[in-house]
Amino acid sequence: QVQLVQSGAEVKKPGASVKISCKASEEAFGNHHMHWVRQAPGQGLEWMGIVNPGGGGATYAQSFEDRVSMTRDTSTSTVYVELRSLRVEDTAVYYCARSAFWGGYDWGQGTLVIVS
Amino acid sequence: QSALTQPPSASGSLGQSVTISCTGTSSDVGGYKFVSWYQQHPGKAPKLMIYAVGERPAGVPDRFSGSKSGNTASLTVSGLQAEDEADYYCSSYGGSDNLVFGGGTKLTVL
Repeated sequence: QVQLVQSGAEVKKPGASVKISCKASEEAFGNHHMHWVRQAPGQGLEWMGIVNPGGGGATYAQSFEDRVSMTRDTSTSTVYVELRSLRVEDTAVYYCARSAFWGGYDWGQGTLVIVS
Repeated sequence: QSALTQPPSASGSLGQSVTISCTGTSSDVGGYKFVSWYQQHPGKAPKLMIYAVGERPAGVPDRFSGSKSGNTASLTVSGLQAEDEADYYCSSYGGSDNLVFGGGTKLTVL
């Protein structure tokens, strides 16, 4: 089982940006794409996009593409998601998940972002 | 990309079987064999239960099975146990390197 360890909770003001990290065990990094998924309080799962840790390319969900960036640092086996121009409705738990067959095979523990 | 349609709730008695549906379109569920199902307990991260329509990851009990017919995928939980009570989500590849989730189903074990 691949371990994905995410950064800690964040509290941000509306209009600010947040950058969340997801560190993968070495054998996983570069071999599997990573999804980013979020879940607002009491709501369902929402796909944000997918990043290729090997090549660095990313595809974003249409609803986020103008204010999200997904990047990676191969030297530390870490992927990042940055969300800009935060709104109150961006308050959610953000998850990274290793992709296999386009499913989220292993999941990080989640990072709570509060925008207030 | 519209969300996949799941019933908001489902229930079954201990030991019985329950099936949860996930309806999409020919552009997602019906067009690809990349349907997954997740179990999520309160306050926990989702856990993959089924991938590629009907494949189980190691460690997932064979009480959980998945299938697809046309634009509708299904998750069946047989021999319901108390610990199966959770929220269940489906996802499907939607083309153009996009993924789409269902709205979730709350499974109650009676």
